Amino acid sequence: GAGVSQSPSNKVTEKGKDVELRCDPISGHTALYWYRQSLGQGLEFLIYFQGNSAPDKSGLPSDRFSAERTGGSVSTLTIQRTQQEDSAVYLCASSAYTGGSQPQHFGDGTRLSIL
Amino acid sequence: SQQGEEDPQALSIQEGENATMNCSYKTSINNLQWYRQNSGRGLVHLILIRSNEREKHSGRLRVTLDTSKKSSSLLITASRAADTASYFCATASNNAGNMLTFGGGTRLMVKP
Repeated sequence: GAGVSQSPSNKVTEKGKDVELRCDPISGHTALYWYRQSLGQGLEFLIYFQGNSAPDKSGLPSDRFSAERTGGSVSTLTIQRTQQEDSAVYLCASSAYTGGSQPQHFGDGTRLSIL
Repeated sequence: SQQGEEDPQALSIQEGENATMNCSYKTSINNLQWYRQNSGRGLVHLILIRSNEREKHSGRLRVTLDTSKKSSSLLITASRAADTASYFCATASNNAGNMLTFGGGTRLMVKP
């Protein structure tokens, strides 16, 4: 069966450019999460979408980061004016939210390298 | 920021031995989950234990939770070379959203 799909798998870009990362969650999963994994900071929560509710953006590190989820399915994480410290693996996860205790299913991530 | 610490940071054992990893956390939780990550891949969910549970089993995995000490352990019995991976504990708080706060992970190497 189809799991969480992320694209691209790798992205190399120059400092100052904008990047868009895409996540296709598991069909029917109403909850979608973005995390960032870096050597210095480990795994960090970035943003959470649940159905049609306003997203929880409490983990976004700066206003250069934003995310959308269109039609309750595909999500795009956008990083504007990238900096070298943005280099990390960006992981997307989805879950069948039923009130809290559900496992999250992760994609393989996008490895972002800022030159 | 990370919820807590995992211990040890790295563990090397022989195939057939048991592996124990520990996790501590700081705030009250709804549940605690363990995930596995192979190099270059995403996280794979292993087991979830709720705050009112003390022990849970799944195949060769045994997880314990002590909410009074804010700690959990993951035991892998009869380890195999294929168990080589990084293992992360993650907590979901009582707040809405169920977003996970991860520990730093344990890198397990099982030698054949």
